[in-house]
Amino acid sequence: ETGVTQTPRHLVMGMTNKKSLKCEQHLGHNAMYWYKQSAKKPLELMFVYSLEERVENNSVPSRFSPECPNSSHLFLHLHTLQPEDSALYLCASSQGTSGGAENEQYFGPGTRLTVT
Amino acid sequence: KNQVEQSPQSLIILEGKNCTLQCNYTVSPFSNLRWYKQDTGRGPVSLTIMTFSENTKSNGRYTATLDADTKQSSLHITASQLSDSASYICVVFYGGATNKLIFGTGTLLAVQP
Repeated sequence: ETGVTQTPRHLVMGMTNKKSLKCEQHLGHNAMYWYKQSAKKPLELMFVYSLEERVENNSVPSRFSPECPNSSHLFLHLHTLQPEDSALYLCASSQGTSGGAENEQYFGPGTRLTVT
Repeated sequence: KNQVEQSPQSLIILEGKNCTLQCNYTVSPFSNLRWYKQDTGRGPVSLTIMTFSENTKSNGRYTATLDADTKQSSLHITASQLSDSASYICVVFYGGATNKLIFGTGTLLAVQP
């Protein structure tokens, strides 16, 4: 276990549904991340939070809405998704957000999302 | 253009054999390079982190090399085991203060008995 948990592990939702993904880290880190991993494509960084403030938003559609109520929890709220949004959504945490070697990212197991 | 390319895309080897995975990058300014192992249905797990001044770093049967001049890295797996079957992802951090990262598409390794 990496110290980062995600729920649910699997989610099937229709295009009109609203759902939320949850991530929790037990490592005392200050930064948390959402990534999207589609088949045969590199991981895509979606959002970065540092000390509960969003510091990066990589042109993600508004149908994805992140929330970071505290440094241990991160949510991704989903609404009116498209079939192409089906992917593995990974959460990660690190001590800080600088790209230095000291800020290793620890990943959760991911949520496998299928949009029908 | 900033890119990270990995080769081969997939690889099948017999248990006990060695293999080498490649990662070529074109980013500037370089900060560090990381190799991750991702088992099916799991999140990536860090194997090594290499900075500009490091040429070789080992983690058990995994040995990573970095040539900052040619912008190439390799991950060598020695005496492969069935549990080594996974996707191996190269990630490059760059940009100095802007702190960007690029993921490679990964190499899918299958170790067969």
